[in-house]
Amino acid sequence: ILNVEQSPQSLHVQEGDSTNFTCSFPSSNFYALHWYRWETAKSPEALFVMTLNGDEKKKGRISATLNTKEGYSYLYIKGSQPEDSATYLCATIQGAQKLVFGQGTRLTINP
Amino acid sequence: KAGVTQTPRYLIKTRGQQVTLSCSPISGHRSVSWYQQTPGQGLQFLFEYFSETQRNKGNFPGRFSGRQFSNSRSEMNVSTLELGDSALYLCASSLSTVGGGNEQFFGPGTRLTVL
Repeated sequence: ILNVEQSPQSLHVQEGDSTNFTCSFPSSNFYALHWYRWETAKSPEALFVMTLNGDEKKKGRISATLNTKEGYSYLYIKGSQPEDSATYLCATIQGAQKLVFGQGTRLTINP
Repeated sequence: KAGVTQTPRYLIKTRGQQVTLSCSPISGHRSVSWYQQTPGQGLQFLFEYFSETQRNKGNFPGRFSGRQFSNSRSEMNVSTLELGDSALYLCASSLSTVGGGNEQFFGPGTRLTVL
């Protein structure tokens, strides 16, 4: 059974601090991994689509890495700002060609 | 460029009724996927349509169905509604199939409440 797990479930970070969280997935039949940011009352927003082992992607203060051999991806936020408060979702495509989402990491930035 | 639009935004139905939700993708996008979001289950994949053909289906009963039109607009239908169908239904569009590693753009969702 395919299982995408994210940790931690929730995280409180002081403004200005850097943080990171994890997405774990089965390493077999991997096709792609998506990261999304979902702010309250808004639609999920795509951050990254990663496909290759060792991929590193960056968008402003947010970056992500991918290890398909061991089945994990890290999302990093440097110098957290209040607007970074959101739920961060990862989702993988494996074998069956459909996206399977993790439960998300809820990030709260304390001013 | 206009984003993904979904109608209606909110809907209240009673058990046993049926409902049709609509999704208009970003212009030029040919793939539309549907997801159900509930507090207990998170985001779950319902189905993906590409060029009017269902490409993939999630683990939902046959009461959930969908279709895509030649202009890439998509509808999903839920028949014989149950209380457990109360959820936020999101659609997302992409240039090509999600399995091809394409980025998805989500609509604002339809909040369905079944009484």
